[in-house]
Amino acid sequence: DSGVTQTPKHLITATGQRVTLRCSPRSGDLSVYWYQQSLDQGLQFLIQYYNGEERAKGNILERFSAQQFPDLHSELNLSSLELGDSALYFCASSVSGRGDNEQFFGPGTRLTVL
Amino acid sequence: GEDVEQSLFLSVREGDSSVINCTYTDSSSTYLYWYKQEPGAGLQLLTYIFSNMDMKQDQRLTVLLNKKDKHLSLRIADTQTGDSAIYFCAERGQNTGFQKLVFGTGTRLLVSP
Repeated sequence: DSGVTQTPKHLITATGQRVTLRCSPRSGDLSVYWYQQSLDQGLQFLIQYYNGEERAKGNILERFSAQQFPDLHSELNLSSLELGDSALYFCASSVSGRGDNEQFFGPGTRLTVL
Repeated sequence: GEDVEQSLFLSVREGDSSVINCTYTDSSSTYLYWYKQEPGAGLQLLTYIFSNMDMKQDQRLTVLLNKKDKHLSLRIADTQTGDSAIYFCAERGQNTGFQKLVFGTGTRLLVSP
């Protein structure tokens, strides 16, 4: 158990809908990262937050957005969902945003878009 | 851009050694990692190596880094059926501001009894 929690574990929804994925980092970790794992694209970095502020952006679609709250939990919002958004979404956390900090991964949220 | 390549599949017998290979393109890579993903589970960090090291050993795991050829390998000694999983190589470097991990495609290791 990494100490990173993600909810829900599974999510099934329809095209065009909007969903919110939630992540609670390990106690004491200030930085949160979101990754997407799909059959087509493999594992890809989406976005990073550090202490409430966006720190780095990866291959995140404009239909997707994220935020980190004062209690340091983070939410990833996916809107106008398409079939291709079906994937496993991972959250990871680290102590700070520095490159030498280990990232601890949550168990993931599996999103299925029908 | 950064690219990390791995072979897709490896099959070994229990008790043998497994060697999983990875190549990367980012010459600024400073940290290189090996993650394990079991079915239905998240990613578990197995080990990592800094780019100024050639080798790192941690119990049954040995990581070798050839920085000149941009080649990383993970050797698992005395492979067990519980080692069956997908293994991801990942790198982090200056070109990406050290912020994100760039993952390989993953190597599915199957260990037969």
